[in-house]
Amino acid sequence: TQLLEQSPQFLSIQEGENLTVYCNSSSVFSSLQWYRQEPGEGPVLLVTVVTGGEVKKLKRLTFQFGDARKDSSLHITAAQPGDTGLYLCAVDPATSGTYKYIFGTGTRLKVLA
Amino acid sequence: GAVVSQHPSWVICKSGTSVKIECRSLDFQATTMFWYRQFPKQSLMLMATSNEGSKATYEQGVEKDKFLINHASLTLSTLTVTSAHPEDSSFYICSARALTADSPLHFGNGTRLTVT
Repeated sequence: TQLLEQSPQFLSIQEGENLTVYCNSSSVFSSLQWYRQEPGEGPVLLVTVVTGGEVKKLKRLTFQFGDARKDSSLHITAAQPGDTGLYLCAVDPATSGTYKYIFGTGTRLKVLA
Repeated sequence: GAVVSQHPSWVICKSGTSVKIECRSLDFQATTMFWYRQFPKQSLMLMATSNEGSKATYEQGVEKDKFLINHASLTLSTLTVTSAHPEDSSFYICSARALTADSPLHFGNGTRLTVT
């Protein structure tokens, strides 16, 4: 079983639409990261959420950490073709902070012009 | 900002040969680097933790004799895929973080390995 399940796995939408990606687990984490990865490149950190219930905004992207720190969501408003990519959530499962990140199953987003 | 460089970005090799992939932290020192493997349309899977000056620690199911890791300096870790076979074809990504507290992980741009 996967430690971090993301949904949906794939999403194809038209430019201007809104979307939400979910990252769920049965475990509690001290923090959670969201990354975006483009083909042929490494993942790029978008945000780190730390506090239960925390909401962070990055332009048209809104990230929320669940109150119980078991899940997170990423909402994109008015999606643009430049948002296309693989979105990954990640956690460090060790409480001591080993940085041995475990990645979610991924959500592949395609935004059509 | 902090940059992690991987080389080569892509490599094609024949079955049975060995391939070395380099991961360098360009403007910071890293006692620990991480190696990931990513199959097409899948997520990243942690393979091993590279420790400067000591042996790497491997995740369950990863063959240490197959994937040799050397972390000889604070800015360089290498992953050698020995006796490569077509099933080793994959996208390999390294990451590193600076020594200062709360430093984030930085990822390289990955190496696409194709074994023919």
